[in-house]
Amino acid sequence: DQQVKQNSPSLSVQEGRISILNCDYTNSMFDYFLWYKKYPAEGPTFLISISSIKDKNEDGRFTVFLNKSAKHLSLHIVPSQPGDSAVYFCAAPLNSGYALNFGKGTSLLVTP
Amino acid sequence: KAGVTQTPRYLIKTRGQQVTLSCSPISGHRSVSWYQQTPGQGLQFLFEYFSETQRNKGNFPGRFSGRQFSNSRSEMNVSTLELGDSALYLCASSLTSGVQETQYFGPGTRLLVL
Repeated sequence: DQQVKQNSPSLSVQEGRISILNCDYTNSMFDYFLWYKKYPAEGPTFLISISSIKDKNEDGRFTVFLNKSAKHLSLHIVPSQPGDSAVYFCAAPLNSGYALNFGKGTSLLVTP
Repeated sequence: KAGVTQTPRYLIKTRGQQVTLSCSPISGHRSVSWYQQTPGQGLQFLFEYFSETQRNKGNFPGRFSGRQFSNSRSEMNVSTLELGDSALYLCASSLTSGVQETQYFGPGTRLLVL
């Protein structure tokens, strides 16, 4: 049962434009969300997170928005750069410990 | 500081065989989690170990097992391999601070079952 869903398997954006990656979740008990970025042949690396007490968190070119009523979050990358081309995963912690529920990922391609 | 290391990086096995994968966490990290990544299912949680005890377990059959040693190194074992076990197996280690972003991933072991 996929509790974290990324319904867009891929996204293509031109360099300099905004990339918006979406994520939906079904478990209303989730109170913390993370985005990871993954390059081929590497493990995922942490990108940005947001707590449910906030509706926005910004870190440089990356901003995550959380809409709790819609159980939806999105990652905005502005401006997009070719080096941002990677697979992006949305995740939420399991009930305890450090393990994570991941979405299936969205492959972002930023073209020059 | 050395990152999370996983061995071997690539592995080819045949159906029915068993396999053991190894993960060495970042020095000082006591939590190790394992994930399976496949094109169809994405990243799925297998299990988490903390101080040699399994703390969480995902929805995988009993053919998948793991353990953690006193030095925090972890191994996972898959017995009676099936074609569907072909995947990238990722290990992640965490500090004990409870802050989620401190989960660091290794490069993974790519397993191919023929």
